[in-house]
Amino acid sequence: GAVVSQHPSRVICKSGTSVKIECRSLDFQATTMFWYRQFPKQSLMLMATSNEGSKATYEQGVEKDKFLINHASLTLSTLTVTSAHPEDSSFYICSARPPHNEKLFFGSGTQLSVL
Amino acid sequence: GENVEQHPSTLSVQEGDSAVIKCTYSDSASNYFPWYKQELGKRPQLIIDIRSNVGEKKDQRIAVTLNKTAKHFSLHITETQPEDSAVYFCAASRVGNQFYFGTGTSLTVIP
Repeated sequence: GAVVSQHPSRVICKSGTSVKIECRSLDFQATTMFWYRQFPKQSLMLMATSNEGSKATYEQGVEKDKFLINHASLTLSTLTVTSAHPEDSSFYICSARPPHNEKLFFGSGTQLSVL
Repeated sequence: GENVEQHPSTLSVQEGDSAVIKCTYSDSASNYFPWYKQELGKRPQLIIDIRSNVGEKKDQRIAVTLNKTAKHFSLHITETQPEDSAVYFCAASRVGNQFYFGTGTSLTVIP
């Protein structure tokens, strides 16, 4: 299957700092990537759809100024959590779908802990 | 938009027994239905999927059935093993569009 790489796998930061998470499609080009947030023992909540070369589409209730998404190339999307606070602590995971392929592949996820 | 419901939220079975997880969806235009297995702190892994033009698909101990008329699909795991213990998610999507996930089922296989 296709490979989606996500870094870092774990981040611990102080409140008020910004954290950047990278998502890369290693063996295919992805014009669209998806960012999810997952709380313990809960489902995957779609935060935004990242579109290469254009603005991301955010789901209702997700602050676009808080969660900055940049999809500057066909293989890289980044999520920046700005001025992180403890309530932003969560598991963030990206995913992408190869061209002409209905299957969705996930990155390995990033566990963010804000102190 | 699409709404996917998944039941049960938790399921415990004895090793060797079968496990069944059910999902319903609301958008009749959805045409692709994958199932993912997620272990704690890991990424969801695709275990089986089915398209809307197929009623059933099987891969060794895992099978998925789809009833388009009733808008529900189910995951069947036979001869369960302790390593099957994980959280399972169903999803529905239209090809090319975003995925909508169920709320997840925590499966525990008791040795």
